[in-house]
Amino acid sequence: GDSVTQMEGPVTLSEEAFLTINCTYTATGYPSLFWYVQYPGEGLQLLLKATKADDKGSNKGFEATYRKETTSFHLEKGSVQVSDSAVYFCALSYQAGTALIFGKGTTLSVSS
Amino acid sequence: DTEVTQTPKHLVMGMTNKKSLKCEQHMGHRAMYWYKQKAKKPPELMFVYSYEKLSINESVPSRFSPECPNSSLLNLHLHALQPEDSALYLCASSQDLGRTNEKLFFGSGTQLSVL
Repeated sequence: GDSVTQMEGPVTLSEEAFLTINCTYTATGYPSLFWYVQYPGEGLQLLLKATKADDKGSNKGFEATYRKETTSFHLEKGSVQVSDSAVYFCALSYQAGTALIFGKGTTLSVSS
Repeated sequence: DTEVTQTPKHLVMGMTNKKSLKCEQHMGHRAMYWYKQKAKKPPELMFVYSYEKLSINESVPSRFSPECPNSSLLNLHLHALQPEDSALYLCASSQDLGRTNEKLFFGSGTQLSVL
């Protein structure tokens, strides 16, 4: 069935380091892809999304490109901040009328 | 107003208690969701309401009973829970359930502890 696979965490970085969190998916058809972020003690927030191949989603310095050929949607940021410390979830939506499929989440910890 | 409001933020209950979780949104969204999230895990879908009708029930035990009194409100009634039901319960909403690119708006959740 359809699924999302994220790199295992935790990811520990120093401030201003480059971030990549890998996400690959398995889906029939052409799903929409999302990155959600969950800060400590809060619910999830949409970080960015892409709805078709080669689309690039971007927000708050984060970017991810929908790569159909590699079935990937890797999250990147050029210079992380302490405030980026959170859990990041990759997700897909493959069929109207059904809910999101989440990856297992990747914990990011950024130190100053 | 782009918020989903959940109450209470924290709840401790015994296994014989009856309690309810509440969720409210005023964005005109027609789809509302209940998720359960264990620590360090992704959210697990429990129920989805679309236009105030139950659309998806992910085989959730009957000790969890959802209710959608109107398009802005979603409740989750709890009865005879088990300690393993302790988790963060998240409510979410979206404009519609009918498209694959829908953005979900999440509340901050209710942290439930069952003793």
